[in-house]
Parts: sequence; structure tokens; C-alpha cells
Amino acid sequence: GDSVTQMEGPVTLSEEAFLTINCTYTATGYPSLFWYVQYPGEGLQLLLKATKADDKGSNKGFEATYRKETTSFHLEKGSVQVSDSAVYFCALTLNQAGTALIFGKGTTLSVSS
Amino acid sequence: GAVVSQHPSWVICKSGTSVKIECRSLDFQATTMFWYRQFPKQSLMLMATSNEGSKATYEQGVEKDKFLINHASLTLSTLTVTSAHPEDSSFYICSATLSGYEQFFGPGTRLTVL
Repeated sequence: GDSVTQMEGPVTLSEEAFLTINCTYTATGYPSLFWYVQYPGEGLQLLLKATKADDKGSNKGFEATYRKETTSFHLEKGSVQVSDSAVYFCALTLNQAGTALIFGKGTTLSVSS
Repeated sequence: GAVVSQHPSWVICKSGTSVKIECRSLDFQATTMFWYRQFPKQSLMLMATSNEGSKATYEQGVEKDKFLINHASLTLSTLTVTSAHPEDSSFYICSATLSGYEQFFGPGTRLTVL
């Protein structure tokens, strides 16, 4: 079935370090891909998205490129901040109205100053 | 942007009581709402899909008689946890679709059953 696989955390970085969180997917058809962020005690916020192959989603210094050939959507940021500490979820949906998101297990990022 | 609210944001109840959680789309009409459950340090698991005016579709393993979902209008869906027990303690999150496939999430409701 359709699924999302994320690298397991936690990921611990110093401020201003480079961040990569790997995400790969398995899906029938052509999904849309998302990264969501969840800060402690809060709900999910959409961080970025990409709806077709080679699209690059970007927001707040984060970016991810939809790679159909490798079925990947890795999240990157060039210089992380302490405020980026959160749980990051990769997700997909099959572009059909009324279809739920399929989430990866989440990756906890902890950034220290 | 599209805003989804949940109420209450947290609730503590005694074992055996029922708890109702509301999910509202504040500035749009949601054709479909979803209910997810998140255990500590785990991912979101879809519980059910709710369409206005029709019965909810539950995921395998989710007891529909325990988790009652009512989607009374295009802006409101409710999840009632009936006869709650400590194992039902969790973070419940709803989302709503405006059209197509993009979902907007509520802030979540933390349920603690004593």
C-alpha cells in the first residue's frame, strides 16, 4: 500500500548547522507531498508542499524537491535555529478529493545554541 | 488562510464518562473532515473520514460505537469518545478540506482519562 518512510530521529544539531531529514514514499499514481511541523503541545502546521515531479517547495528557509525518480522528498535547511526544534512529518496524499493524508512516523529535531 | 479550530484544547475526565470534541472550519465550508489520533512521540493515525450529512467512514480497527462522529454541517464535526478509559488518552487532531486535497489542521485536543 501507499506509505511514507522518514529517517528516524532524534536529530540533534547545533545552531547554524545544515539540516537534512530524509523522506521516501511509495504510492500508486502521482501523489502530492507535504512537510508538516509540530511544535511541542501544538497541532500540525503545513511547512511546505509540492504537487508534481521536480517541484520545489520552500518556506522559512526550508526546502524540499519532489524527486519522482528516487521517490523522495527530503527536507533541507541551510542554517537551523533553536526555534526550529520540533517534530517534522513527511506526508502524501493521492490527489483525490476526500482522501486523507498518509504520514511518516515523524522526526524530532533538537537544535541547541 | 483557512482556519480550523478545536474545542476543548484539553480535557481530563473520569473513566467511564463520555467526552465530546468539536472541530470547526472557521472561514470556509469543509466538504470533508478527518479525525486523527496521535500517541506520544508517534505519528498521526487516521481514525475516520467524515462527510457532511453522511455516516463517517472508519479505519480498520477503530470502533465506531466507541468513537462517535457526527458531521452536522459543512463547518462542524464532532467526535465523542464514549465510556472513555485510560487507554483512550491521546492527542486527537482534526483536519478539514476546502476543496480538492489540501488539508488544514486544528490545534488538537489532549484527552486524559483518569
